Amino acid sequence: DAGVIQSPRHEVTEMGQEVTLRCKPISGHDYLFWYRQTMMRGLELLIYFNNNVPIDDSGMPEDRFSAKMPNASFSTLKIQPSEPRDSAVYFCASSFGGPPQHFGDGTRLSIL
Amino acid sequence: GENVEQHPSTLSVQEGDSAVIKCTYSDSASNYFPWYKQELGKGPQLIIDIRSNVGEKKDQRIAVTLNKTAKHFSLHITETQPEDSAVYFCAAGDNAGKSTFGDGTTLTVKP
Repeated sequence: DAGVIQSPRHEVTEMGQEVTLRCKPISGHDYLFWYRQTMMRGLELLIYFNNNVPIDDSGMPEDRFSAKMPNASFSTLKIQPSEPRDSAVYFCASSFGGPPQHFGDGTRLSIL
Repeated sequence: GENVEQHPSTLSVQEGDSAVIKCTYSDSASNYFPWYKQELGKGPQLIIDIRSNVGEKKDQRIAVTLNKTAKHFSLHITETQPEDSAVYFCAAGDNAGKSTFGDGTTLTVKP
């Protein structure tokens, strides 16, 4: 079992650019979560999917953020346009049957 | 929405001693209480969880207790080892997947 795989591990880009984060959940898991971690706000749930369908996106900060899950083995989180305050570590997690069980190692995003 | 408070924010113990981390939550509808361990540069790792129909659960050196009336739950680590050093997070939520995390406790176990 390879675990939850996120890419890239690090991303540095200039404000205004589009950023795309990618996640491959554990095979067979039916839930996928996107979290953001910062020193100021801790771990925040952005959005989660069940069977590829978005269930709750109330944590998505604003319209600049969007997430998709085109199939059971892939999800993206996109920020367009990016701003310095979006700098954080973004985690993807997956589970079977409910709350997050397995987290990826995250994408450390820096917006200059 | 749910609000989770976690204490202490930092905890330092001697190897072999016990460590206790406490959390309170606000939403009486929450029925799932997981604990995660996060090591530097890694994602959180689920170490134990408890559901609202259970008061206590144990797995080797770790145990969790839940008091639904008082809206308290706690993590107990016995016989601590240096490899237990990490940031620990509690969370409260529902079976559907939505969880609110505490702010974390940095545990240091001194050899």
